[in-house]
Amino acid sequence: NAGVTQTPKFQVLKTGQSMTLQCAQDMNHEYMSWYRQDPGMGLRLIHYSVGAGITDQGEVPNGYNVSRSTTEDFPLRLLSAAPSQTSVYFCASSFGDGLVLRQQYFGPGTRLTVT
Amino acid sequence: AQTVTQSQPEMSVQEAETVTLSCTYDTSESDYYLFWYKQPPSRQMILVIRQEAYKQQNATENRFSVNFQKAAKSFSLKISDSQLGDAAMYFCAYRSWDNNDMRFGAGTRLTVKP
Repeated sequence: NAGVTQTPKFQVLKTGQSMTLQCAQDMNHEYMSWYRQDPGMGLRLIHYSVGAGITDQGEVPNGYNVSRSTTEDFPLRLLSAAPSQTSVYFCASSFGDGLVLRQQYFGPGTRLTVT
Repeated sequence: AQTVTQSQPEMSVQEAETVTLSCTYDTSESDYYLFWYKQPPSRQMILVIRQEAYKQQNATENRFSVNFQKAAKSFSLKISDSQLGDAAMYFCAYRSWDNNDMRFGAGTRLTVKP
């Protein structure tokens, strides 16, 4: 299994540009999430999905869109990039049934810089 | 909303010695999960240890163990026989049992001195 993969690893955008961060997992996980990591603030949840066709907002959703058309993929879209979105972005996935301990598996991260 | 606090931005330990990283959290829930993640310079998030709130027994994984105090809402990580490869950022995390809402602390940077 490849686990959770993210592309690209690095990206530089100009203010106002749009782009999509890709995330894929091959573990048949129901749950997928996007986090951003800023210095001194730990990880904060942006959006998450409990299955194909179902998404919901996390702690910091503004400026980001998501969709989940398949179990494997969960792309994150920035429609109009702003310097405040400069961060490291992590995708994560996990099983989500009942009381099973839901360990999240993280991707390697994407470092995004908006100038 | 749940909050997770790591009060030690940086910690240092001598190789082969023991170090304890602190974590406290605030919640009104009775069932939840707690995690410690390690983030080396590669930025990959690696699960170190996990604890279910309904279990009274503290979790242990080789050289890593936790001291889970549910009433005090405390979840500290003890690393025994510290190794150079343990040097990393360590994040404490809280997850509700019935949803995907996961909250992280700000992290503790651990340095291991040879």
